[in-house]
Amino acid sequence: GDSVTQMEGPVTLSEEAFLTINCTYTATGYPSLFWYVQYPGEGLQLLLKATKADDKGSNKGFEATYRKETTSFHLEKGSVQVSDSAVYFCALITLQGAQKLVFGQGTRLTINP
Amino acid sequence: NAGVTQTPKFRVLKTGQSMTLLCAQDMNHEYMYWYRQDPGMGLRLIHYSVGEGTTAKGEVPDGYNVSRLKKQNFLLGLESAAPSQTSVYFCASSHHGQRAFFGQGTRLTVV
Repeated sequence: GDSVTQMEGPVTLSEEAFLTINCTYTATGYPSLFWYVQYPGEGLQLLLKATKADDKGSNKGFEATYRKETTSFHLEKGSVQVSDSAVYFCALITLQGAQKLVFGQGTRLTINP
Repeated sequence: NAGVTQTPKFRVLKTGQSMTLLCAQDMNHEYMYWYRQDPGMGLRLIHYSVGEGTTAKGEVPDGYNVSRLKKQNFLLGLESAAPSQTSVYFCASSHHGQRAFFGQGTRLTVV
């Protein structure tokens, strides 16, 4: 079935460091891909998305490119801030078949000043 | 703009008790989902619905039932609560293939 695998956390970085959180997926058909962010005590919010191969989603300095050949959607940011500390989830939804929204296990990110 | 509203926000149950969690959305979304979030496990799909009157099982459906009698509401029921169902429950809704909107979560403790 459809699945998403994220790099295991937690990840701790210093402010202004470069961030990569790896995400790979398995899906039938051509899924839409998402990154969601969860701040403490809150629900999930959409961070960015891409709906077809080679699309790049971007928001708040974060980017991710839909790579069909490697079935990946890695999240990157050039210079992280303390306010980026949160849990990040990679997710997919297939537009055929079951049409379930499936999440990875989440990566907790902590940024130290 | 209410978005997705979950009630209640917190609940403590005794083993064997029953309860219903309510999810309401005002965005006319076809798709609705129930997830549970446990430490180190990410979000696991319990049940979902692709339209009024339809429901389907997710990854971890055992011990839960759902109903979607109205398009805007998606109910999650626990008939006989167990300590293993202690978790944070999230509801989400979306249009077909689009971003999902999440509720604030329900923290359930079963003692």
